[in-house]
Amino acid sequence: EVQLVQSGAEVKKPGESLKISCKASGYSFSSYWIGWVRQMPGKGLEWMGIIFPGGSETRYNPSFQGHVTMSADKSKSTAYLQWSSLKASDTAIYYCARRYYGSGSHAAPDSWGQGTLVTVSS
Amino acid sequence: EVVLTQSPGTLSLSPGERVTLSCRASQSVSSNFLAWYQQRPGQAPRLLIYATSSRASGIPDRFGGSGSGTDFTLTISRLEPEDFAVYYCQQYGSSVETFGQGTKVEIK
Repeated sequence: EVQLVQSGAEVKKPGESLKISCKASGYSFSSYWIGWVRQMPGKGLEWMGIIFPGGSETRYNPSFQGHVTMSADKSKSTAYLQWSSLKASDTAIYYCARRYYGSGSHAAPDSWGQGTLVTVSS
Repeated sequence: EVVLTQSPGTLSLSPGERVTLSCRASQSVSSNFLAWYQQRPGQAPRLLIYATSSRASGIPDRFGGSGSGTDFTLTISRLEPEDFAVYYCQQYGSSVETFGQGTKVEIK
């Protein structure tokens, strides 16, 4: 069974750094792109970017590039999303998802993590 | 960037009714790479339809997708109680992927 298990909720202050994780199981982690999606409180879904764990290729939404970094550790079957300096506006739920239906990076996600709530407040 | 506009914003319906949700793109969606998701409160999104009209694994056949170019539709043939949720479309054909703003289907 394919599973993506995300790290737990975080409460941080503005300016702090953070790295959240998405641990995959039940499939070959290196073979499928992983995407990240943001959902701010009471709002819709926003596409942040995708990473290919097999080669660490990435594609970012320009709206997020430079503020977040996606990475992956094949040895741990885990993808990461990190910030070096959080802002209050980063408060949101962050989802990871395996990209499955399609070819290459243009594939729709079949499995989603449960989401990680990040709260940034002074 | 491809802007997706969903309509209507909210639908108030009764169980058993037929639902048609619209997703209009600001430019043609490459290779008809258009997906639909359902999100219930407190849950992660769930893929319903990919590549415009293909149902994801385990999705009931009351869900159907159609369209091409810039106009896409999600149809629910007969609403079940568990279908009351928010629905999003997403295009994943361009280098910057985008979601629509969502349509809420609520109980009348």
